[in-house]
Parts: sequence; C-alpha cells; structure tokens
Amino acid sequence: DAKTTQPPSMDCAEGRAANLPCNHSTISGNEYVYWYRQIHSQGPQYIIHGLKNNETNEMASLIITEDRKSSTLILPHATLRDTAVYYCIVFPNPNTGNQFYFGTGTSLTVIP
Amino acid sequence: GAVVSQHPSWVICKSGTSVKIECRSLDFQATTMFWYRQFPKQSLMLMATSNEGSKATYEQGVEKDKFLINHASLTLSTLTVTSAHPEDSSFYICSAKQPFAGATKEQFFGPGTRLTVL
Repeated sequence: DAKTTQPPSMDCAEGRAANLPCNHSTISGNEYVYWYRQIHSQGPQYIIHGLKNNETNEMASLIITEDRKSSTLILPHATLRDTAVYYCIVFPNPNTGNQFYFGTGTSLTVIP
Repeated sequence: GAVVSQHPSWVICKSGTSVKIECRSLDFQATTMFWYRQFPKQSLMLMATSNEGSKATYEQGVEKDKFLINHASLTLSTLTVTSAHPEDSSFYICSAKQPFAGATKEQFFGPGTRLTVL
C-alpha cells in the first residue's frame, strides 16, 4: 500500500519553478523517497531519490524535511514538456521487499 | 540510463483469446522484473514480481492462472493474459531492476503495452 499523500493536481506557469509536495509521515528510518513522473501513455521515468539530505540532479531538486515526514520536488524552470503525473514513493518497504507501490500522484500542468 | 522495452506497444484481441506481452532489458541483465497494470486516469497497480528462474510472486487479488508470468532469461520476462475479456483492457507496464544494485537502486520502466479486448 502507498504510504504517501500528494495533492491531486497543480498548475505552474512555464519558466517558473514547480514545487510538488509529498507527505510521508510514516516513513521509517531505512526508507528512501523516490520521485517518478509519467507522461501520458508512457512508462514512468525516474527523476530523483534521497534518504535525508537534499539532492539535486540535472532534472530536479529534492528537499526532505529534517524529520523526514515530508519532501518537495522542485523543477526549477518548468517547461511544457514537464506536464505529467508525478509520483512520490517511499522505498524499500521492509515489510514488502523490492516492490514499488504507487500512490495517486500529482497531475502537474505547465501553462504557457 | 538502462533501457527496458516492451512488445507489442499496443494490441487488440477478441474476447477469449490469449495475449503475450514481452518485457526486455536491452543493456543490462535483470534478475527481477515487475508487472503493473494501469486503468484510465488511475495510478499504476503492481500485479506481480518476476524472478529469473523461479515462480513469480503475485499481489493479493491478482489471478495467477489468468496472468501467466515467465522469466526464463535475465533479459526477458513475459506476461500472458489468458482468456482475455473486455475488463482486462488496460495499460500494462513492466519494470526491471539491475542485479547487485541494492535495495535502494531505481527501477527502469518500459514504455507500456495498451491492450484492448473486444
């Protein structure tokens, strides 16, 4: 079962930063936070993951709160191609092994 | 990053027939692959975990006799939907994990297969 809560939808103006929140208040100490996105009718694409430190790569930044109960994915300069459903996943679940369980995600629409 | 392919990308079949979907890891060997199903406007739902050389592990509520999974090699897993019916129409997605990647490494997803059962 998914252990994350995300807003169902968000809009962002093109060129602006998109900040996507995720609540994972029951995360355990050895669980990572992963972010994937899914563009319509395609397979999910890996974005970034982290344990407790903030992370940055060429796609995005991940900010994890000190208590690790929530995180924010930041797309610094959103483009129209960033319109997708964004999924926040906690992994690995010590009770279930290697499986990813997707929540409902956030549908991000980037507006011209 | 690692590449996972699926074949076919879409398929239309008649009710009662069986359909096989292939999932291949193109540039790495995958000891573990996963199969998901996604209905329109819904999230991905994990169906089963496919382990090379052993039986698949199915999620609760997934009929193992209807969704046959074979993972006979380190680069290929197949999902066969037997006696398909219209309610099996869905988007089927596989993912693969690199061996020795550790529990925290990401999974790589295929592009999906759209199944329509008439």
